[in-house]
Amino acid sequence: TQLLEQSPQFLSIQEGENLTVYCNSSSVFSSLQWYRQEPGEGPVLLVTVVTGGEVKKLKRLTFQFGDARKDSSLHITAAQPGDTGLYLCAGAETSGSRLTFGEGTQLTVNP
Amino acid sequence: GAVVSQHPSRVICKSGTSVKIECRSLDFQATTMFWYRQFPKQSLMLMATSNEGSKATYEQGVEKDKFLINHASLTLSTLTVTSAHPEDSSFYICSARDPGGGLAYEQYFGPGTRLTVT
Repeated sequence: TQLLEQSPQFLSIQEGENLTVYCNSSSVFSSLQWYRQEPGEGPVLLVTVVTGGEVKKLKRLTFQFGDARKDSSLHITAAQPGDTGLYLCAGAETSGSRLTFGEGTQLTVNP
Repeated sequence: GAVVSQHPSRVICKSGTSVKIECRSLDFQATTMFWYRQFPKQSLMLMATSNEGSKATYEQGVEKDKFLINHASLTLSTLTVTSAHPEDSSFYICSARDPGGGLAYEQYFGPGTRLTVT
């Protein structure tokens, strides 16, 4: 069973600060996805990375896939209260296979 | 993007009764859907993989006779919690994979169903 270790589990910062969330595994993933979830709602897909070393940007969010496709990071620049939520990374072993989820990072951005 | 709906969004039932939760893919056909369970402030736990026209594949530790899954069409999967007990209270979320989408491994999630068993 593939495992994804996500850190930190909890993060509380002030508006305007930067932060990075990490997702690590000893296994190789064919793809890795990042989701954001708000209380009482389902996760919303933010990005999918599939190529080792790939970097994708989504406004103030930067996602990176490690060269060996075993790890990924999410960096948020100038965080805003609207960024508050549970961030989840999830990896797929092969195309079309089930997702392995990290434990999640609960981010709180204080105004 | 692909849209997945769930019904109901919230349900309260008495201990011993059964509850059915529906998951629909609204703008695509999903041969595979997934059912997850989520406890407060925790990540998603995969319960089972639902395949259209065949039996669901359950994860280790999930009782298939208690959590009945039916994937009768390419747009609908149902999860029935039978003889529900308070410990079954949780947030249940389904997801679906869009085989016609750009990336075959992307899953789209429903809004979730909050089940409370009294």
